[in-house]
Amino acid sequence: QKEVEQNSGPLSVPEGAIASLNCTYSDRGSQSFFWYRQYSGKSPELIMSIYSNGDKEDGRFTAQLNKASQYVSLLIRDSQPSDSATYLCAVLNSGYALNFGKGTSLLVTP
Amino acid sequence: GAVVSQHPSWVICKSGTSVKIECRSLDFQATTMFWYRQFPKQSLMLMATSNEGSKATYEQGVEKDKFLINHASLTLSTLTVTSAHPEDSSFYICSARAVGANYGYTFGSGTRLTVV
Repeated sequence: QKEVEQNSGPLSVPEGAIASLNCTYSDRGSQSFFWYRQYSGKSPELIMSIYSNGDKEDGRFTAQLNKASQYVSLLIRDSQPSDSATYLCAVLNSGYALNFGKGTSLLVTP
Repeated sequence: GAVVSQHPSWVICKSGTSVKIECRSLDFQATTMFWYRQFPKQSLMLMATSNEGSKATYEQGVEKDKFLINHASLTLSTLTVTSAHPEDSSFYICSARAVGANYGYTFGSGTRLTVV
């Protein structure tokens, strides 16, 4: 079983700060990576995808990928209380399904 | 675009009965759908991959005779939990791949199953 590891948290940051979420994966051959946000009792919603080494920015979100270190991260700038949720890292497997980490719980305090 | 409709959103059933969950791709054709299960405070665990017109591929440890998957058309996949037991109570989510520039995976809204 290919592993996707995340710190379960909770990660608590004050409103307006930068939240940094990390993820490591075990399959060195993985090529596609995704960050999802999941509110309690809801299904995941896609935040960003990243396929190449380096940074990818979309609004307040920046995904970072380092395939050599098998590491992917998500930065959330100017965190808002509405960003409080569980963030799931997902890696595309060889069967074109997503393998998910356990998620990191983020709490943004006003 | 790329909407997956999942029904029902929640269901309560008696132990020993069967429950069917439907997922429909509303504005695209989904040749492949994925079924996940999520227990409280756990991650999404892939149960099976459903391909239109063929048998589903189940992950190790998932009973194919208990979790029946049918993907008879390009827009509909169903998961039937047969002879449900309380330990089957979970959040079931389907996902389909919408082919496009980002190869995004769209999720249904999920079904909360409670077996009493």
